[in-house]
Amino acid sequence: EIVMTQSPATLSVSPGERATLSCRASQSVRSNLAWYQHKFGQAPRLLIYGASTRATDIAGRFSGSGSGTEFTLTINSLQSEDSALYYCQQYNNWPPLTFGGGTKVEIK
Amino acid sequence: EVHLVESGGTLVQPGGSLRLSCATSGFSFTSYSMSWVRQAPGKGLEWVAYIKQDGSEKYYVDSVKGRFTISRDNAEHSLFLQMNNLRAEDTAVYYCARTNTGGDLRLFDYWGQGTLVTVSS
Repeated sequence: EIVMTQSPATLSVSPGERATLSCRASQSVRSNLAWYQHKFGQAPRLLIYGASTRATDIAGRFSGSGSGTEFTLTINSLQSEDSALYYCQQYNNWPPLTFGGGTKVEIK
Repeated sequence: EVHLVESGGTLVQPGGSLRLSCATSGFSFTSYSMSWVRQAPGKGLEWVAYIKQDGSEKYYVDSVKGRFTISRDNAEHSLFLQMNNLRAEDTAVYYCARTNTGGDLRLFDYWGQGTLVTVSS
């Protein structure tokens, strides 16, 4: 099973600034990585797949990078509506499909 | 517009059984694999089960193998999760998720709002 580790657990960022979230895989997942946004009480939403491709209707301030075992989700010009939990998920080796533990983004 | 609506979550005693349902609309149900993903209180997301478009392939996370069964009714555009011998650690919000399996993809492109399962005496 591939273990996904996210850091930091919590990130506090001022509006308009940049948030950088990290995700590490226990072995290479090539570019088979997705990012999700999950707001309390709502359905999770797919943000990024293929490590760097934005999903449909996702704002351009969200970007993904990385391959192999190290990945980054960057949120530029952070807005209040971006306050949420963010998860990475690998789909290179499955089953099981595995998620990271999540990063909580707070707005200062 | 894609809609996924889960139902069936409730309070159940340890060792009990429960059947979750997911009603779908807005897309060609028979063209997509489907999954269940859960989130325990204070924990992250955990994939639980997967079923292929025609039901010919099913996969489960180890912790539910032999206890949970995923199924689908393509005529009714519905997904199900039969949960038996429930344990306290199965307490979670259960999400139904459309699973995109194009090419190398195995990801969840649409999710429902979830249904809460509480296992407690």
